[in-house]
Amino acid sequence: QQPVQSPQAVILREGEDAVINCSSSKALYSVHWYRQKHGEAPVFLMILLKGGEQKGHEKISASFNEKKQQSSLYLTASQLSYSGTYFCGTALNNAGNNRKLIWGLGTSLAVNP
Amino acid sequence: EAQVTQNPRYLITVTGKKLTVTCSQNMNHEYMSWYRQDPGLGLRQIYYSMNVEVTDKGDVPEGYKVSRKEKRNFPLILESPSPNQTSLYFCASSYGRWHGYTFGSGTRLTVV
Repeated sequence: QQPVQSPQAVILREGEDAVINCSSSKALYSVHWYRQKHGEAPVFLMILLKGGEQKGHEKISASFNEKKQQSSLYLTASQLSYSGTYFCGTALNNAGNNRKLIWGLGTSLAVNP
Repeated sequence: EAQVTQNPRYLITVTGKKLTVTCSQNMNHEYMSWYRQDPGLGLRQIYYSMNVEVTDKGDVPEGYKVSRKEKRNFPLILESPSPNQTSLYFCASSYGRWHGYTFGSGTRLTVV
């Protein structure tokens, strides 16, 4: 039930691009993306809803493929400030507590000068 | 400033001594939730609340209690802490189903 994030870790040079994937074995209602820096709280980046929506936040964007039950986070022209651990949180396509998120284990991203 | 405030930030306690971690949000959010974060296990939901006086168990509720008497406050209570509850705890709140969560700054709890 827990979504699988890939890769587990990635190291970039400043200015390079990266893609982080979040795959679920269950049908998804929505996908959240967060970034957490060491010793800090997770910070909300964006939410995607079923329907193949794509969103952007500065040079960070994401897509949601409902059929594939997968979301991807795209980081373009990475900056040093992008370093941290990226988590996806998935809400399953069911009734009741549809704000309950099931979290991936995170992707550690390091951007070096 | 819109925020979720957790206290304390750090806490070391002994096994069996009751403690409360407070959480307060000033955004009029209906939904609040408690998580624990452990290496290799990620974020796991302990309890959540859809509104005042409405609470329910998350994935790992054993050994924890919560209450939601007011919309802004959602304290986490450990009646008899044990060493396996040593963890980093986060409170989070959300305005609605189309909105992301705002997290508190975290409470690092050590039970010896």
